[in-house]
Formats: sequence, structure tokens, C-alpha cells
Amino acid sequence: AQSVAQPEDQVNVAEGNPLTVKCTYSVSGNPYLFWYVQYPNRGLQFLLKYITGDNLVKGSYGFEAEFNKSQTSFHLKKPSALVSDSALYFCDPAGYSSASKIIFGSGTRLSIRP
Amino acid sequence: GAVVSQHPSWVICKSGTSVKIECRSLDFQATTMFWYRQFPKQSLMLMATSNEGSKATYEQGVEKDKFLINHASLTLSTLTVTSAHPEDSSFYICSAGPDPSGQETQYFGPGTRLLVL
Repeated sequence: AQSVAQPEDQVNVAEGNPLTVKCTYSVSGNPYLFWYVQYPNRGLQFLLKYITGDNLVKGSYGFEAEFNKSQTSFHLKKPSALVSDSALYFCDPAGYSSASKIIFGSGTRLSIRP
Repeated sequence: GAVVSQHPSWVICKSGTSVKIECRSLDFQATTMFWYRQFPKQSLMLMATSNEGSKATYEQGVEKDKFLINHASLTLSTLTVTSAHPEDSSFYICSAGPDPSGQETQYFGPGTRLLVL
């Protein structure tokens, strides 16, 4: 069974500082890992994904994530946080399929203070 | 990029009425669409998987007679909340895939906020 853990319900960072939103996963076979963001009063948006290749994946809005197979982690990072990054972030450990289910964890609320 | 729309974006209805929410893939054919709901300050919950031309697959605990899903074409899936009650008030989100390149990325609709009075 696939599962995901986002151990922090909330992450607070000062603007300009680096941010990390943590995600660990458990999947059978090779993982297909996704990050989504939900801004207030808006629908979900796809941020980035890892399927194969380089462990460091770059995505939208300056975000990147590092796939670490030994630690089964896929932490989301950004070198310099913006207030506009404040949102709810979801990690998704979709398995290989052309129509994979999206099984979210509880999400992590990222709050960037000016 | 692939676009998914939902209609309506907001709906307010009286208790006991039925509400239909549409999910459309505007520029690609989606063999599968997913329906989610989200309560305030909680994570998304997958409700059902909708496959074109076949019956939807519901997640455990989701009443299929309460939440009717129809996926009549490759670009349209509908979710009907039958005999809605205040506890059905929620944010309903659909997603569709695969994208035109055949990759696994899901494209999400903007969501429909339902308020049942």
C-alpha cells in the first residue's frame, strides 16, 4: 500500500530565508512523486514531480525537491521564501500508472512572515 | 497546458435538493477523472475514480447513492450530490488525466464550493 507522511502540520519561515517542507513516502516499486500546492481560495496546482533521472527536480515558482531513495524522502525546498509562497502543500506518492490515484497526506501549511 | 474546468464554482442550495457539479477537460481527452472533497483546514479526500464509459469506483466510506458520478464522455464527468444536507457542505475538486503527452500528471479543476443551508 502506498502512503505518505508530512510530519509537520505547519512550517513558519521568515521571508528571504530558505524553506523546506518534508515528505517521506512508502510505495511498492519505483516511486512517482508529486508536490501540489493549494493557495487560499484556489484550486490545487501541480508544482513538480519526480519519475526518473536527476534526484534534484526543479518546478514552478522556484521550488525544487530532492528525491532520496535511501531515506525514502522527497522534501520540497526553496532557497529564498516569499510571502506569496504561503499556502497548503501536499506531497503525493503516486505509483506508476497513466491514471494514478492522488493519495494525499494531511498537507503542510507554509506560512512566510514578512 | 491541459486545462480542467469545473462548473459551478460556487453553489448554495437548500437541504434536500440535489446539486450537479461538472468537470470538463477542455483541451484533452481524459480517460480518468478523480473527485475529491476538502473540509476546511483538512486535507483532500479522494471520493471516487471515474472512468469513461464505466461505473465509478468509490473509496471506502463514500456513499455511491449519495454521490452519483457519471463519466459519459472523455471530456466530461459529473458529480451529483443527491438530497444534499448541511454536512455535505464542502469544497469539491476534480482532476483529470493523463495529460496529452500521456504522462501521469493530473490536472486539477479550480474546485466547486458547495454550501447547503
